Amino acid sequence: AQSVAQPEDQVNVAEGNPLTVKCTYSVSGNPYLFWYVQYPNRGLQFLLKYITGDNLVKGSYGFEAEFNKSQTSFHLKKPSALVSDSALYFCAVRDRAGNNRKLIWGLGTSLAVNP
Amino acid sequence: DVKVTQSSRYLVKRTGEKVFLECVQDMDHENMFWYRQDPGLGLRLIYFSYDVKMKEKGDIPEGYSVSREKKERFSLILESASTNQTSMYLCASRTSGRANEQFFGPGTRLTVL
Repeated sequence: AQSVAQPEDQVNVAEGNPLTVKCTYSVSGNPYLFWYVQYPNRGLQFLLKYITGDNLVKGSYGFEAEFNKSQTSFHLKKPSALVSDSALYFCAVRDRAGNNRKLIWGLGTSLAVNP
Repeated sequence: DVKVTQSSRYLVKRTGEKVFLECVQDMDHENMFWYRQDPGLGLRLIYFSYDVKMKEKGDIPEGYSVSREKKERFSLILESASTNQTSMYLCASRTSGRANEQFFGPGTRLTVL
């Protein structure tokens, strides 16, 4: 079965420190990979995606994500965390072929950046 | 900018009531989605639509129905609301193309008493 895992329910990091939010997936082939963010009391916003090419993808608000095919991972990173980055982060994947129109979502990781 | 709007931010209904949640997008997107979001369960897809009058069940369609009479509008209907349908409901839209991202509305927090 296809699945996405975000192994950490919560990540705590000090402001100014680098942050990583982990995502691994089990999907056949080379899927499209997405990160979304949900700030408190707001809807989800698209952050970045991997389609093809360079394994390091840059997105909004200084975030980037690294696609690792051998480890089937797509970890979200930021070199220097801000308190305003505190939010709920979701990883999602979609296969490139077949009739599946749906995204497969991880359960989310709550990021808390402490001042 | 793509805009996805939902008819209510907060809604309180009683058990057994018929509930309509409306979603409108202004970017001519073919695909529209209804999710519910619950703590610890992430996002779960209820229904989606890839064209006018077309719909497809998601992962948890029981107790829900949908309507898409116009391209820009996708309605979620709770035929007889129950307390276990208390949740945050999120609508999203996306243009065709597997690599394209979804755009979300602000959500409707529904409480069923």
